[in-house]
Amino acid sequence: NAGVMQNPRHLVRRRGQEARLRCSPMKGHSHVYWYRQLPEEGLKFMVYLQKENIIDESGMPKERFSAEFPKEGPSILRIQQVVRGDSAAYFCASSPGTGTFNTEAFFGQGTRLTVV
Amino acid sequence: SQQGEEDPQALSIQEGENATMNCSYKTSINNLQWYRQNSGRGLVHLILIRSNEREKHSGRLRVTLDTSKKSSSLLITASRAADTASYFCATDERGNKLVFGAGTILRVKS
Repeated sequence: NAGVMQNPRHLVRRRGQEARLRCSPMKGHSHVYWYRQLPEEGLKFMVYLQKENIIDESGMPKERFSAEFPKEGPSILRIQQVVRGDSAAYFCASSPGTGTFNTEAFFGQGTRLTVV
Repeated sequence: SQQGEEDPQALSIQEGENATMNCSYKTSINNLQWYRQNSGRGLVHLILIRSNEREKHSGRLRVTLDTSKKSSSLLITASRAADTASYFCATDERGNKLVFGAGTILRVKS
């Protein structure tokens, strides 16, 4: 059973380009969470998704950021018109989920986005 | 909102010593979890303690939870150089998501 898979591991984009980050949850997990981590800081919650539904996007910036978790395929975090401040590590976590976070979350290795 | 706050921000100890990290949070919780992150890597789950538990052990790890003070501590006994990492506490805010603190950077010198 493969763990949470994120790709790419490293992504370099020029200002104004789009960044697409992918996350495949663990097999059998239907809940996906995206977090952002700036250097020397903790993880900041961005969005919580179930298949075809956004459950909580309270941590997502209002503009340029979007996330989806389609019925088939990985979850995608999309950042349009990237700016230097978007440079960070983006982590995805998955859980089997029952609506209550009573089990551990399994994290991917992250995607490190650098905007030049 | 940032739920868990770790203390100290950084800790440097000699191999073999014990390391204690503390975490405080603001709202009621169902459980509190501790994670470790090696530099440049993803997070690894260490231990989960439920709100009705006061202490939990896992190998060299000991976690306590005081819900009246809204605080938790992580003790690593007989530390090793390989324990060098960042340690984060996380609480389940409204059951929807894990909210992380800023972390404690632990350095174990050999």
